[in-house]
Amino acid sequence: DGGITQSPKYLFRKEGQNVTLSCEQNLNHDAMYWYRQDPGQGLRLIYYSQIVNDFQKGDIAEGYSVSREKKESFPLTVTSAQKNPTAFYLCASEQLAGSTGELFFGEGSRLTVL
Amino acid sequence: QQQVKQSPQSLIVQKGGISIINCAYENTAFDYFPWYQQFPGKGPALLIAIRPDVSEKKEGRFTISFNKSAKQFSLHIMDSQPGDSATYFCAGLFGNEKLTFGTGTRLTIIP
Repeated sequence: DGGITQSPKYLFRKEGQNVTLSCEQNLNHDAMYWYRQDPGQGLRLIYYSQIVNDFQKGDIAEGYSVSREKKESFPLTVTSAQKNPTAFYLCASEQLAGSTGELFFGEGSRLTVL
Repeated sequence: QQQVKQSPQSLIVQKGGISIINCAYENTAFDYFPWYQQFPGKGPALLIAIRPDVSEKKEGRFTISFNKSAKQFSLHIMDSQPGDSATYFCAGLFGNEKLTFGTGTRLTIIP
């Protein structure tokens, strides 16, 4: 099936540890995005990438890092510098050429810091 | 930062009733206004979208009403069903810029 695969679905980490969330897409989409979702705050953009080996900061990039070494993969690292990392993280992709503006989302990864 | 303001934050509607969620935007350059639906534990999915050259778009029980002069748009769900219980996000987009999302509305349909 075509789509976005995020893993793990649930993740627990101790304070001070870095964790990496995986996002893979087989839609051949150009752009990929990471959002953070907190209750009452909607979807906030962390990082995005429109082309391999290039990415830009979103609205809340501090404490996060990404890479885009392959078109289909866009992993997100939550570093120990992120002060409040407990959240639901969503990865999305978009076809830019002839785009309708539709984002395709994965099912999310819920990170809990103990 | 361009904003899209969404209300209410939560909404409870009886089965068979009409659910109405409102959004207001600031950026007059927005040319695409989608609504996303998110079920618990899942990612959002596109529900319905409108461009500002029309005032209304209907797909089944879901209708977007768009008021360009007031910079407002709303989602109406007719004959609301328990399966419609979800979080709904409105958004605005201009060209190749990034989608700007509203803060979401948690809709609960009660029997």
